[in-house]
Formats: sequence, structure tokens, C-alpha cells
Amino acid sequence: KAGVTQTPRYLIKTRGQQVTLSCSPISGHRSVSWYQQTPGQGLQFLFEYFSETQRNKGNFPGRFSGRQFSNSRSEMNVSTLELGDSALYLCASRLGAEQYFGPGTRLTVT
Amino acid sequence: QQQVKQSPQSLIVQKGGIPIINCAYENTAFDYFPWYQQFPGKGPALLIAIRPDVSEKKEGRFTISFNKSAKQFSLHIMDSQPGDSATYFCAASTGASGSRLTFGEGTQLTVNP
Repeated sequence: KAGVTQTPRYLIKTRGQQVTLSCSPISGHRSVSWYQQTPGQGLQFLFEYFSETQRNKGNFPGRFSGRQFSNSRSEMNVSTLELGDSALYLCASRLGAEQYFGPGTRLTVT
Repeated sequence: QQQVKQSPQSLIVQKGGIPIINCAYENTAFDYFPWYQQFPGKGPALLIAIRPDVSEKKEGRFTISFNKSAKQFSLHIMDSQPGDSATYFCAASTGASGSRLTFGEGTQLTVNP
């Protein structure tokens, strides 16, 4: 089976812009979660989607949002980008308790 | 209460050594404890996981030891190799939280040849 795929892999944006990241989970996995990884804060949970519904949300401002489609693919959006949003954004798909991460999207905000 | 504390921050061992990475948690509702390995430029890869009803689990050269009363768990890497050099993260979640993993701070392991 193919693993979790994320696009794009790298992205450079300017403060104030918005960005949309995409994630395709492992075939058959219906749960998709998003995490932010930074050197200072480590790995932090953003939100989880299951069957197109947000099931759980971390402590991030409303500028961070997401959605899931009927084929389980997910997107996350960050509006009004800030310099502090520069990070590796990871998507994980889940089957049972096990979560499998994609390679991430490296977002740089200038 | 949701934190997972991981130590050491970095670790250097010689090839064949047994690095040990420790994690401690406070939330007694945590019931799933995975370990992830991450190489530069890659996403975390699931190594091994344990539930609190088991005190030890071994998969290949990786062993988790779990102490429920102390709320601690650790990763041992037997016969470590230079290819094991990576950052290791412990994590925890509850059944009620679904996918929400709470991660430790990470340990950068270097295995010298």
C-alpha cells in the first residue's frame, strides 16, 4: 500500500497570505490528523477528521482550519500567515490506534 | 497534566551499545504509548507501541519497558547501529482522544561507528 502523501512538500509564503496544504491518507484509513512541528514547540496536534467531521481540535487559533472529503483526503488551511507559522506540517492517517505520518510540508513564512 | 516528559535531549553511544530513552507522563487516562523515529527531512515513523496492561514489548532490536505505577516508559535499542542515528519521540494518547497524540520533546540519538 502507498503511504501517506502530502503536497506540496515545500512552500514559501509571505506574511498575511493564506495557504492550503493537502494530505492523502493510506487507502482504507478514514481518520486524518494534522500536526505542527517546530524546533521550539515540538510536535503539536492541530486537529483530527474522521468521515468528513472534525472530531478533535488542538490549541491553535481559528486561522488554522481543515476539512476532509468523502474520499478521506484532507486539506488544512492557514489564513493571515504569521512568521511563527513557519513549521513542518505533518499529516497522519490512522487505523485503530496506530498513526502513520506523511513526509510533511515545510512551510516558510517570510 | 497532558504533558509527556522525555529525557535525555541528546544521546551519543558507540555501535553495539544500548541507548535508553525515558518518558514520564501525568495523565492516568493515557492508554496507548507509541515511539516514533524521525530522520532529517522525513515524517515520524512508528517504531513500536505498548498499552498499560503489558510491562514489556519487544520488536526486533527495539524494546519498550512500561512501569504503570511510576507512570514511566522507556525505549531500549539493542545492538545499536549507525543507521539508528535519528530523533526519537515518545507519545501518548487516550481512547477518548482518538488520534490526539501528545508527544515528548524528542531525543537526538547518535550512534558512532
